[in-house]
Amino acid sequence: KQEVTQIPAALSVPEGENLVLNCSFTDSAIYNLQWFRQDPGKGLTSLLLIQSSQREQTSGRLNASLDKSSGRSTLYIAASQPGDSATYLCAVLRLGAGNMLTFGGGTRLMVKP
Amino acid sequence: EAGVAQSPRYKIIEKRQSVAFWCNPISGHATLYWYQQILGQGPKLLIQFQNNGVVDDSQLPKDRFSAERLKGVDSTLKIQPAKLEDSAVYLCASSSVTGGRSKNIQYFGAGTRLSVL
Repeated sequence: KQEVTQIPAALSVPEGENLVLNCSFTDSAIYNLQWFRQDPGKGLTSLLLIQSSQREQTSGRLNASLDKSSGRSTLYIAASQPGDSATYLCAVLRLGAGNMLTFGGGTRLMVKP
Repeated sequence: EAGVAQSPRYKIIEKRQSVAFWCNPISGHATLYWYQQILGQGPKLLIQFQNNGVVDDSQLPKDRFSAERLKGVDSTLKIQPAKLEDSAVYLCASSSVTGGRSKNIQYFGAGTRLSVL
């Protein structure tokens, strides 16, 4: 059974810092990995999707890496801003029937002005 | 393009009562998902539909939860009777499977927050 863990569970940083969020998964037989953002009272917004054959994806100040063999992914946020405050979730898509995403518990990020 | 619509946004009920949630996916999306997100945890898939057929309902507590997507568009999720531990946000998502899994991006609704007292 796939298990996804995110560390830390919560993080508070001053504005302007670069930061790294971590995600680990137990079964390397994944099709892709996604990072989502969730704002309070809102649904999930997909930030980055990395295919299993890829090593990283970049979008603006965000960079996500994937090491499938070790079961790890990181989300790097450069020059953090108060507007980045949200919960960040990683999810892996398993190989096999259906398109089932398994989510981690999330990292709650607070960027202080 | 309109997003995934869910209603109601909030619901408060007492234990043993029944409740239903409604989801309207993005137009043209064949696949629809219901997730349960307990406070402080990531979403957990309850059921996945492909058009009006069930693809995966292995994590749906079938003794009290049911879901349907009769015409392959809108979907309803029902809980009867509700328990205290059902308090959570219920998220609906949809995706287009055109192009295979590599194009699978799930778009999420805002969710329904259920409180069972």
